[in-house]
Amino acid sequence: QSVLTQPPSASGTPGQRVTISCSGSDSNIGGNTVNWYQQLPGTAPKLLMFNNNQRPSGVPDRFSGSKSGTSASLAINGLQSEDEADYYCAAWDDTLNGHYVFGTGTRVTVL
Amino acid sequence: QVQLLQSGAEVKKPGASVKISCKTSGYTLSSYSMYWVRQAPGQGLEWIAWISAGNDNTKSSPRLKGRVSVKRDTSAKIVDMELTGLTPEDTAVYYCARGEWGKLDQWGQGTLVSVSS
Repeated sequence: QSVLTQPPSASGTPGQRVTISCSGSDSNIGGNTVNWYQQLPGTAPKLLMFNNNQRPSGVPDRFSGSKSGTSASLAINGLQSEDEADYYCAAWDDTLNGHYVFGTGTRVTVL
Repeated sequence: QVQLLQSGAEVKKPGASVKISCKTSGYTLSSYSMYWVRQAPGQGLEWIAWISAGNDNTKSSPRLKGRVSVKRDTSAKIVDMELTGLTPEDTAVYYCARGEWGKLDQWGQGTLVSVSS
């Protein structure tokens, strides 16, 4: 059972802005950096955002990340059809001798 | 370029063990941690284990109750993950992923493990 809570789904039409929330606690998001992964159907996950708001090389700047307190969010500006995928937040959790946790995942649908 | 190539699919009986290999290339294995992540059919991502860069310190998911171990062979550039006491609930695609401070920037292609009597 994940300790990072995301909405199960989000949707928008092409060009719209979509935001995905990730709610955690002091032991994970509150004290550690947040990373985001994109998983297209049938493929391995791909790093989308690291250190809360840093984009790896090659990730379009329509993706942005933020963190405040024990919550984080991912925004997609100018939604495109190829953005239809599952998105997961993740962070280290300092309890239980330290373990890495993923969010529950959000499926983004482009209408 | 960096590549992580995992061993092939496995079919196991309940109670058995499985070992999955992650063959790396294109970077210095000992300079990065390695994470293991699994995904049950139709489900989300679940972290299962981690081995640190350099000193081979390991951590594993509390949910797996000591059933998982990870070892690194720096000379062969391979990281192995072994899961014991398999049950049907362990049926999943298993991924290795290179990472530092939770930033998993390169992933293997995944290995399907099916557990069934």
